[in-house]
Amino acid sequence: DQQVKQNSPSLSVQEGRISILNCDYTNSMFDYFLWYKKYPAEGPTFLISISSIKDKNEDGRFTVFLNKSAKHLSLHIVPSQPGDSAVYFCAASVGAQKLVFGQGTRLTINP
Amino acid sequence: SAVISQKPSRDICQRGTSLTIQCQVDSQVTMMFWYRQQPGQSLTLIATANQGSEATYESGFVIDKFPISRPNLTFSTLTVSNMSPEDSSIYLCSVDRSTDTQYFGPGTRLTVL
Repeated sequence: DQQVKQNSPSLSVQEGRISILNCDYTNSMFDYFLWYKKYPAEGPTFLISISSIKDKNEDGRFTVFLNKSAKHLSLHIVPSQPGDSAVYFCAASVGAQKLVFGQGTRLTINP
Repeated sequence: SAVISQKPSRDICQRGTSLTIQCQVDSQVTMMFWYRQQPGQSLTLIATANQGSEATYESGFVIDKFPISRPNLTFSTLTVSNMSPEDSSIYLCSVDRSTDTQYFGPGTRLTVL
């Protein structure tokens, strides 16, 4: 039972453009959602989070949007930079403890 | 954020043996978590470790296979017991630092032959 899904295993974006990564979830009890970036041979790096009482959270180039009715969240990166090339995981939790991760999306930023 | 270190960073082990992975945090935290990332897969929570109490294991993970210690508020260990090639994974610890964020260590890459 995949409670958190990232349906795009990979995404390629040109440098300077917007990257949009998508995530869907099935458990309506989830109240915290997080995005992590992971480089090979490193642990996941926290990027941004959002609680279920909000529909948008912004931090610099990163914005997360939450659509509770559709059980969908997305991460927008503007403008995309070569250093953004990594695997991005969305995660969800009840009470920000037991994180349930999606399968990840490999983002490649092309110069 | 949090500074989290793990030892070893990687290891190659023979089947049937055990490996203990250490996780050290730069300051006291209430909860520590252990995750596994199998090759090509996502991260899966193994257990939650609180200081002074037994670890809480997720479905599919048992204490006999993955014993955990949490002797103080900055340190935890995870042991992978009686290893088989299916245990080859990256093992990660994480800590919660605020109500909505978990920070991860660099991971331990385990290969079982």
